[in-house]
Amino acid sequence: NAGVTQTPKFQVLKTGQSMTLQCAQDMNHEYMSWYRQDPGMGLRLIHYSVGAGITDQGEVPNGYNVSRSTTEDFPLRLLSAAPSQTSVYFCASSTRRGSTEAFFGQGTRLTVV
Amino acid sequence: ILNVEQSPQSLHVQEGDSTNFTCSFPSSNFYALHWYRWETAKSPEALFVMTLNGDEKKKGRISATLNTKEGYSYLYIKGSQPEDSATYLCAFKEGGTSYGKLTFGQGTILTVHP
Repeated sequence: NAGVTQTPKFQVLKTGQSMTLQCAQDMNHEYMSWYRQDPGMGLRLIHYSVGAGITDQGEVPNGYNVSRSTTEDFPLRLLSAAPSQTSVYFCASSTRRGSTEAFFGQGTRLTVV
Repeated sequence: ILNVEQSPQSLHVQEGDSTNFTCSFPSSNFYALHWYRWETAKSPEALFVMTLNGDEKKKGRISATLNTKEGYSYLYIKGSQPEDSATYLCAFKEGGTSYGKLTFGQGTILTVHP
């Protein structure tokens, strides 16, 4: 079972560069989300989607863009990387209801220099 | 922004000790409370999802309780082992139309010393 597949695992960017973090799930989950994890701050929600064609902002959306053209895929785009975006990023998926567990990707450790 | 707090932030125990930590969350508009275990260099994995006041869940040596009226949940580990060392995250799911959206606490880092 693939579950949630997130790539790449590591990335170093220069300030101002753009990149896309890929996330795909094969569980037919309606809800997908992106989090960033910084020391002492837990997981903070960047963007989320409740289905294909529907996305919304989370707690820390600035500097990030998302789209959801299919149920399976939910890529996260960094438009112009900044050192403040150095973090560990996780993609997650779940059913819409939230009464069942979320499944997480392997994480992406991003460094912006 | 919903306030979900976990305490303590970190905990060091000896192998064989029992331990517990707390997650506090809003007592209104409750839908579900999740617990996740997150080992270094891995991704978080679900331990429990609890939806009813008074819920108690158990998985091996780990158990959790839920009090939605006062807005807290406890996670207990009996007879801690070094392999229990991890960050334990709780996440609050609000009722209404917030769908699968979870608000996470900052986590409790548990280190079990042999």
